[in-house]
Amino acid sequence: GAGVSQTPSNKVTEKGKYVELRCDPISGHTALYWYRQSLGQGPEFLIYFQGTGAADDSGLPNDRFFAVRPEGSVSTLKIQRTERGDSAVYLCASSPGPSTYNEQFFGPGTRLTVL
Amino acid sequence: DAKTTQPPSMDCAEGRAANLPCNHSTISGNEYVYWYRQIHSQGPQYIIHGLKNNETNEMASLIITEDRKSSTLILPHATLRDTAVYYCIVRAIYNQGGKLIFGQGTELSVKP
Repeated sequence: GAGVSQTPSNKVTEKGKYVELRCDPISGHTALYWYRQSLGQGPEFLIYFQGTGAADDSGLPNDRFFAVRPEGSVSTLKIQRTERGDSAVYLCASSPGPSTYNEQFFGPGTRLTVL
Repeated sequence: DAKTTQPPSMDCAEGRAANLPCNHSTISGNEYVYWYRQIHSQGPQYIIHGLKNNETNEMASLIITEDRKSSTLILPHATLRDTAVYYCIVRAIYNQGGKLIFGQGTELSVKP
């Protein structure tokens, strides 16, 4: 079946602009995760959704970052007033549930470049 | 979740076994060892996990020492497609939400 998809694959924006990144999880997966990966580093956790609600947003770096999952499937990561330091690959993952026993399936990521 | 330590890079000859070590000396009894890998320009991919017994699947074997302070991921017959960054991650059984805490991983280069 289809895996996790993310759009766009690449996004170039200017400093101060607003961007939205979209994630389509695997159908039926209730848990959804966003991670951010800077060059040469491992992915860094941002936020986790169980269903429609954000169960853990402890990784969001500041209030410019916000994510939603209104119907419990597709999720959108929103970044306001982008800064050059926001440039990274943003990864989305989904899982059948939040249990430690469930593996996470990752999408290919969205590469965000802030000029 | 406990911290892990991995060598930054390793080389392996194609067709030979690749043995990737991971140190997790502060691991507690309710924490699993997970391995993921990330091929260039792709998202991470789950490989295997274990608690205290050795585990094997179609991708790899996981050997955990008796004291659980270290483990080794074994790719029995490495191919060029196994070139990737390999992440060793420790997760609590009751890790609420199951988020993954990645380190910097080991960059494995499989050479012909």
